[in-house]
Amino acid sequence: QKEVEQNSGPLSVPEGAIASLNCTYSDRGSQSFFWYRQYSGKSPELIMFIYSNGDKEDGRFTAQLNKASQYVSLLIRDSQPSDSATYLCAGRPFGNEKLTFGTGTRLTIIP
Amino acid sequence: DTGVSQDPRHKITKRGQNVTFRCDPISEHNRLYWYRQTLGQGPEFLTYFQNEAQLEKSRLLSDRFSAERPKGSFSTLEIQRTEQGDSAMYLCASSRGTGAQETQYFGPGTRLLVL
Repeated sequence: QKEVEQNSGPLSVPEGAIASLNCTYSDRGSQSFFWYRQYSGKSPELIMFIYSNGDKEDGRFTAQLNKASQYVSLLIRDSQPSDSATYLCAGRPFGNEKLTFGTGTRLTIIP
Repeated sequence: DTGVSQDPRHKITKRGQNVTFRCDPISEHNRLYWYRQTLGQGPEFLTYFQNEAQLEKSRLLSDRFSAERPKGSFSTLEIQRTEQGDSAMYLCASSRGTGAQETQYFGPGTRLLVL
């Protein structure tokens, strides 16, 4: 079992709708979780991080963490064509520096 | 531009040759990380430095790979006797410190193709 798992997609969402991206993790010692966006051929770009149970909102993005279920999600409201990219979920255990990434979910926003 | 920079951006080499990549972190960041990413996969951790000390190395980092950060500023990653399986994007990231809120910021990457 991979430490961080994501549905590879592709996930297609109409423009203006809510895109929901999900991630599960196996290491209960994971402390912080990060969502990165990666356009084709480019490097990962940080969107947001979360380390407390519950929701965290930043503009059109909301990250959700449920430690009991070992589940992290990212919601993108009012999806735009420019949101089309691969979204990477990463976890970091307490006291450890390295990020463990999932394989990413490819999101396509349909105009 | 005050972000992480990497050089070169692209490298094509023949199998068996040595290659060296450079990373310049964000200036106030004392932690520097190397990751490798292949097509369709997420980045995989290779190694990281706190200042000039190399504190962790992945099993992925075979003895053909070596990384340095001699003055705690820029870092180099060298691959000796390259193999076709080394073809990947090599990503460098930096962070300011430790703690739940510390985030890693990635450079543009060096794309390596071994023929």
